[in-house]
Amino acid sequence: KAGVTQTPRYLIKTRGQQVTLSCSPISGHRSVSWYQQTPGQGLQFLFEYFSETQRNKGNFPGRFSGRQFSNSRSEMNVSTLELGDSALYLCASSGGLLAGTETQYFGPGTRLLVL
Amino acid sequence: KQEVTQIPAALSVPEGENLVLNCSFTDSAIYNLQWFRQDPGKGLTSLLLIQSSQREQTSGRLNASLDKSSGRSTLYIAASQPGDSATYLCAVISRRETSGSRLTFGEGTQLTVNP
Repeated sequence: KAGVTQTPRYLIKTRGQQVTLSCSPISGHRSVSWYQQTPGQGLQFLFEYFSETQRNKGNFPGRFSGRQFSNSRSEMNVSTLELGDSALYLCASSGGLLAGTETQYFGPGTRLLVL
Repeated sequence: KQEVTQIPAALSVPEGENLVLNCSFTDSAIYNLQWFRQDPGKGLTSLLLIQSSQREQTSGRLNASLDKSSGRSTLYIAASQPGDSATYLCAVISRRETSGSRLTFGEGTQLTVNP
């Protein structure tokens, strides 16, 4: 079974631009969560989607948004990029039906650098 | 608000040594606790998942225990090898903070196993 895939793997943007990251979950998984990882803040939860609906949201500004498609693939968008948005963005997938009890599987991440 | 702490922040041991990594969490109302490993610049690899009703889980040279009442978990690594060098993260899913699969992470323990 293929693992969680994320594209692109690396991205360089300038302040003020917007960016879209993509995550394809393990086949059959319906829950996709997004996390931001920085040296100073560690891993922080952004949001979770299940069956095309946002099920949970972390404490990030509205510049961070996401969506999920009918095939469970998810995209995350960051508008008006700031230097502090430079981070490794990770997505995780799980079955989703037994929320809270399932193993979550992470993708390799997208490394975003904002100049 | 759930907080997860990992001690020590860094650990360096000679090859072959048995070692213990510690994780504590402030709110014992959890669904599960999961241990991950992260290699530099990479995504997270799931190691072990312990449900809130379980006391321990084992996989190969790894054994994780959970004491929910005291808010503690330990990851025991037997006969450590240089390939075990990585950052180890623990994460919990809190019953009070989510209806889904939101993980709250510790800061991690950076392990170095010297040949």
